[in-house]
Amino acid sequence: LAKTTQPISMDSYEGQEVNITCSHNNIATNDYITWYQQFPSQGPRFIIQGYKTKVTNEVASLFIPADRKSSTLSLPRVSLSDTAVYYCLVVGNSGYSTLTFGKGTMLLVSP
Amino acid sequence: GAVVSQHPSWVICKSGTSVKIECRSLDFQATTMFWYRQFPKQSLMLMATSNEGSKATYEQGVEKDKFLINHASLTLSTLTVTSAHPEDSSFYICSASSPTGTSYEQYFGPGTRLTVT
Repeated sequence: LAKTTQPISMDSYEGQEVNITCSHNNIATNDYITWYQQFPSQGPRFIIQGYKTKVTNEVASLFIPADRKSSTLSLPRVSLSDTAVYYCLVVGNSGYSTLTFGKGTMLLVSP
Repeated sequence: GAVVSQHPSWVICKSGTSVKIECRSLDFQATTMFWYRQFPKQSLMLMATSNEGSKATYEQGVEKDKFLINHASLTLSTLTVTSAHPEDSSFYICSASSPTGTSYEQYFGPGTRLTVT
């Protein structure tokens, strides 16, 4: 399983764009990059997933360079409710792959 | 869609007793469910993978005789913490994979807070 490295914490203000970068140098050819969000005392929530280039959905964008050794989760115009821990995971696509959670990034959004 | 529930949401039990936690997939059938444990200020740690109709696969270091997992149907998996001790106090979270979904998107339950006194 590819190990991921991401900043322990980040601070932002309401209305700003937040970019959280994750490195996964040992990502395998068949691996996908997935991001989850977790609020205190709740289960993680799927945010976005991608394989290469750029993926966008209604809540975030995911940028993946050509070498796929890193990825950046972009949250546009964050609000106080975006304060949470964000986990970057690399997951295989064979069968029902287990998820290995790293330490995650604690994002604190202030007024 | 893809909702996973857990019951109870929190439980307090005395040391030495057993506690059962249920994980249900409400609107889909889950052939595979996963159980995680999360201590305060720490990340989720996978405990075991539960497959419907077969024995669970436990991660290294997780005592299978202490954490009993049953996945008797496609919508229900249970985790029983036997002879609980204060060090078992933690946040237990389950997740489920849908046969029609992708392997890299799991649906998580809201978690169960276990406190052993």
